[in-house]
Amino acid sequence: AQSVAQPEDQVNVAEGNPLTVKCTYSVSGNPYLFWYVQYPNRGLQFLLKYITGDNLVKGSYGFEAEFNKSQTSFHLKKPSALVSDSALYFCAVRDPRHNNAGNMLTFGGGTRLMVKP
Amino acid sequence: ETGVTQSPTHLIKTRGQQVTLRCSSQSGHNTVSWYQQALGQGPQFIFQYYREEENGRGNFPPRFSGLQFPNYSSELNVNALELDDSALYLCASSPSGRPLEQYFGPGTRLTVT
Repeated sequence: AQSVAQPEDQVNVAEGNPLTVKCTYSVSGNPYLFWYVQYPNRGLQFLLKYITGDNLVKGSYGFEAEFNKSQTSFHLKKPSALVSDSALYFCAVRDPRHNNAGNMLTFGGGTRLMVKP
Repeated sequence: ETGVTQSPTHLIKTRGQQVTLRCSSQSGHNTVSWYQQALGQGPQFIFQYYREEENGRGNFPPRFSGLQFPNYSSELNVNALELDDSALYLCASSPSGRPLEQYFGPGTRLTVT
C-alpha cells in the first residue's frame, strides 16, 4: 500500500526567507508525486508533479520540489516566501501501476504554512 | 479557476438520511474522482468513474455510490448517513488522455447531525 507522511503540522517562516515543506512517501516501484495547495473554502490547486527525469521539478508560483529516491522524499521549496503563500499544502503519491484502473491519489495529512510579514 | 463546479456548497443532513452531491466538469473531461476530506486531514480517495463506469475504489463501504453522465456531470450518493460522514467532499476531473492532471472543484461541505 502506498502512503505519504508530512511530518510538520505547521511551518512558520518570515516573508522573504526560503521555505521548505517536507514530504516522505512509501510506494512500490517508481512513484508519481504531486504537491497541491488549498486556500480556505477552496478546492485543491495543483502546484507541481514529478513523473520521471530531472529530480528538481519547477511548478507554479515560484515553487519547486526535489525528488530524492534514496530518502524517499519530495520536499516542497521556495527561495523567497510571500505572505500570500500562507495556505494548507498537501503532498500526494500515485502508484503508477494504477495507470488505467484508477486515478487514486494518496494524500498526506497536510502542512499549514504561515508566512509572517 | 479549474472549471469544475460542485453543488451544493453546504449541506446539513440528519443521521440515517441519504444525500446526493453533484459535480460538473469541463467538456472533454471523461474521468472524475471523488474524495472525502475530514476536518484537519488530507483528502481520501472514494472512487473514480471513467466513461460512466466505476474503475477504481478506495476503502469506502458500498453505501457510497456514484454516477457519471455523458454531459460530464457526476453524482456522489451516500446512504444511511453517519456522523463520521461529515466532511468536505471534493470532485476532481481529468481531461481525456491526461489522467495525471486532476482539476479539483471547490467542494461540498456536508454536516451530519
